[in-house]
Amino acid sequence: DVKVTQSSRYLVKRTGEKVFLECVQDMDHENMFWYRQDPGLGLRLIYFSYDVKMKEKGDIPEGYSVSREKKERFSLILESASTNQTSMYLCASSSSGTGFWEQYFGPGTRLTVT
Amino acid sequence: DAKTTQPNSMESNEEEPVHLPCNHSTISGTDYIHWYRQLPSQGPEYVIHGLTSNVNNRMASLAIAEDRKSSTLILHRATLRDAAVYYCILRDWGTYKYIFGTGTRLKVLA
Repeated sequence: DVKVTQSSRYLVKRTGEKVFLECVQDMDHENMFWYRQDPGLGLRLIYFSYDVKMKEKGDIPEGYSVSREKKERFSLILESASTNQTSMYLCASSSSGTGFWEQYFGPGTRLTVT
Repeated sequence: DAKTTQPNSMESNEEEPVHLPCNHSTISGTDYIHWYRQLPSQGPEYVIHGLTSNVNNRMASLAIAEDRKSSTLILHRATLRDAAVYYCILRDWGTYKYIFGTGTRLKVLA
């Protein structure tokens, strides 16, 4: 069974802390994505990666960075967490071989910054 | 980027067909139409996609208007497990990027 896992379902951090959200996929997918989901705004793309060590900015990259040192792992980093980064964070992966038809999503991490 | 417009919510009775509409009047010739759904407390999951022709799979059917300015996701017999937020998404064939709208929350009544 296809699997995308995220390190935590719930996370509470303080303003100014550095936060790491980890995502691992076991499908040997080339592409990985980080989204945030907020009520009334749908899913918005933060960053994506189409290969190891390669990354591209999505629609809302400000305040975030990413790291992809291994094909199966994609990390989202909040350098200095702020309250407006309180949100649901979703990781996804897809295969270039299938023409990007299908993204597989993890269960999400609900981050609260206080 | 082309945008999609969906009703905020819809209701259906169990075991009846459901037609979920989506408007995408600014769609370009290279935009694919994708549908995903998000069950409570889960990440979105793929439902179906198409370009110009109607499509069927085990989960649903996708009917695409001839001018491609609208599409309809059809669930042939709604079950309680189909209660979810359904997203209609456009994706340019040359990109990895999905543009998610705010989706339609489907409520299925027993």
